[in-house]
Amino acid sequence: TQLLEQSPQFLSIQEGENLTVYCNSSSVFSSLQWYRQEPGEGPVLLVTVVTGGEVKKLKRLTFQFGDARKDSSLHITAAQPGDTGLYLCAGNLYGQNFVFGPGTRLSVLP
Amino acid sequence: EPEVTQTPSHQVTQMGQEVILRCVPISNHLYFYWYRQILGQKVEFLVSFYNNEISEKSEIFDDQFSVERPDGSNFTLKIRSTKLEDSAMYFCASSGQGAYEQYFGPGTRLTVT
Repeated sequence: TQLLEQSPQFLSIQEGENLTVYCNSSSVFSSLQWYRQEPGEGPVLLVTVVTGGEVKKLKRLTFQFGDARKDSSLHITAAQPGDTGLYLCAGNLYGQNFVFGPGTRLSVLP
Repeated sequence: EPEVTQTPSHQVTQMGQEVILRCVPISNHLYFYWYRQILGQKVEFLVSFYNNEISEKSEIFDDQFSVERPDGSNFTLKIRSTKLEDSAMYFCASSGQGAYEQYFGPGTRLTVT
């Protein structure tokens, strides 16, 4: 059983389209992070959300933390080929124990 | 911009051998972590380290594994008597005072033959 689930698992879209990917759990997290990972490289931190209902924007990326701090979404506006990658969410359960989701692999076609 | 570095980038070892993976966290960070990612699978938490001791560890981090901060800059993961299933990417990460934002290194690819 996955503690953190992400959907969809794969997403292939055309440049310029909008998309939303989801991160869901039955557990409550004290914080949640979104990362992007390229093949053979380490995850790169995009954002951290801490407060339930919090919304953060990073250029064309909008991140939302659910009110109950159990889920989160990442919305990308006008996707570009450079957005292609594996998007990971990670939740902080307690202390310094972080749980990663399996990721959404996004492909943006030119 | 400060970054986490890891050495070696790729380590090949024979089953039963010991390996030490090295990491240099970001210099003013206080929390240090090791994760592993088996090919095609998700990133898995191994251990976190704070104030010169382990603060959290997962069920994966058994007696085969140990961590050490031998000096003010390095953070190491030792795997004793490696097994085939230890083959994976091992990532080091560090975070500052808030401990929420982790910055990952580029990883060490460990191949056990």
